[in-house]
Amino acid sequence: SQKIEQNSEALNIQEGKTATLTCNYTNYSPAYLQWYRQDPGRGPVFLLLIRENEKEKRKERLKVTFDTTLKQSLFHITASQPADSATYLCALGLSSGSARQLTFGSGTQLTVLP
Amino acid sequence: NAGVTQTPKFRVLKTGQSMTLLCAQDMNHEYMYWYRQDPGMGLRLIHYSVGEGTTAKGEVPDGYNVSRLKKQNFLLGLESAAPSQTSVYFCASSTRTGGTEAFFGQGTRLTVV
Repeated sequence: SQKIEQNSEALNIQEGKTATLTCNYTNYSPAYLQWYRQDPGRGPVFLLLIRENEKEKRKERLKVTFDTTLKQSLFHITASQPADSATYLCALGLSSGSARQLTFGSGTQLTVLP
Repeated sequence: NAGVTQTPKFRVLKTGQSMTLLCAQDMNHEYMYWYRQDPGMGLRLIHYSVGEGTTAKGEVPDGYNVSRLKKQNFLLGLESAAPSQTSVYFCASSTRTGGTEAFFGQGTRLTVV
């Protein structure tokens, strides 16, 4: 069956360290993968997109890698800050069909400790 | 910069009651989606629309109906609410181009008692 798994439901790290979140998937052939941030009581907010033919994408302190052989994406936040505390969702964009549907993982709750 | 607006933000229903959730977007997006989010299960797609007048089923469509009479609006209806439909509902929209980001509303917290 198809499955998207994000590592541990919760991750605590110290301020200034690099946070690494993992997204693994099985039985999917995604055309792209996206990462979203969700704060309590709010809707998800888009952060980064990486396509199947790309290995790495960067945006300020964020970096995403995409390994279609391992079926895995890693999401890094460098020099983490307490303001980075939130739940982070990965989402797969499937190549089939006319609608750009996204299939979401259940998220990892990140807490950056001061 | 309204983006995606959901109405209402909170609602409590009794089992068997009906209601409609309204989603409005001002970005001229072709695609619109309704998701539900439950603890530990992530966002699950209920129904979606690729354009005005068209709708399609997602992963968990049972118990819900939708309509998209105008491009900017996407309505989610519950005909006979059940406690299993207690959830947070999110509407989202995106452009037709593949791989673009989805814009989400702020969510509707629905409790069915």
